[in-house]
Amino acid sequence: GAGVSQSPSNKVTEKGKDVELRCDPISGHTALYWYRQRLGQGLEFLIYFQGNSAPDKSGLPSDRFSAERTGESVSTLTIQRTQQEDSAVYLCASSLVGGTHPQHFGDGTRLSIL
Amino acid sequence: GQQLNQSPQSMFIQEGEDVSMNCTSSSIFNTWLWYKQDPGEGPVLLIALYKAGELTSNGRLTAQFGITRKDSFLNISASIPSDVGIYFCGGWDNNNDMRFGAGTRLTVKP
Repeated sequence: GAGVSQSPSNKVTEKGKDVELRCDPISGHTALYWYRQRLGQGLEFLIYFQGNSAPDKSGLPSDRFSAERTGESVSTLTIQRTQQEDSAVYLCASSLVGGTHPQHFGDGTRLSIL
Repeated sequence: GQQLNQSPQSMFIQEGEDVSMNCTSSSIFNTWLWYKQDPGEGPVLLIALYKAGELTSNGRLTAQFGITRKDSFLNISASIPSDVGIYFCGGWDNNNDMRFGAGTRLTVKP
């Protein structure tokens, strides 16, 4: 597609449930990033994929968070045993290559944990 | 990750006024990016800067990569109501870590 696509756009779930968020990057973009944005705050880096290299997971806040990417296409971010503090907008971005190429963002998934 | 210092946190201005916001870092940056985020949407890239001293314009927006490589500013001239939103600075530091500022929330009164 023309831009980064994320689904679902909104997700409401009960505390303790697992959730899976999906990101379709721009076609041809080898780098993919996940960020978390809490209400009224900036962007918190979670994880970075670059081609077939091992992902940079240094931003994942706990072992309840994991992400996968198939080749240079779709990525899924999984949060297990969700907590209320996980409520946030989860943004995905992609860039042509890693390094200093500008990132292009999707519209995010707004996650609400009841 | 670690955030940049972005200021001001918020601004309330009259339509037609000029706006200036900036980001500073304790470490050197190799690239500066400025984004705008509208409610319910993802950030949209406005300007990318790659060299110290670089001054780049995009319509009424102008951004500069500071000579010390530790700061950048964004100016908006003759603001209009659709400039409302949150503006983020971001970039890669010399450790190749991507960092973002906390954002400047701009309100424009007609």
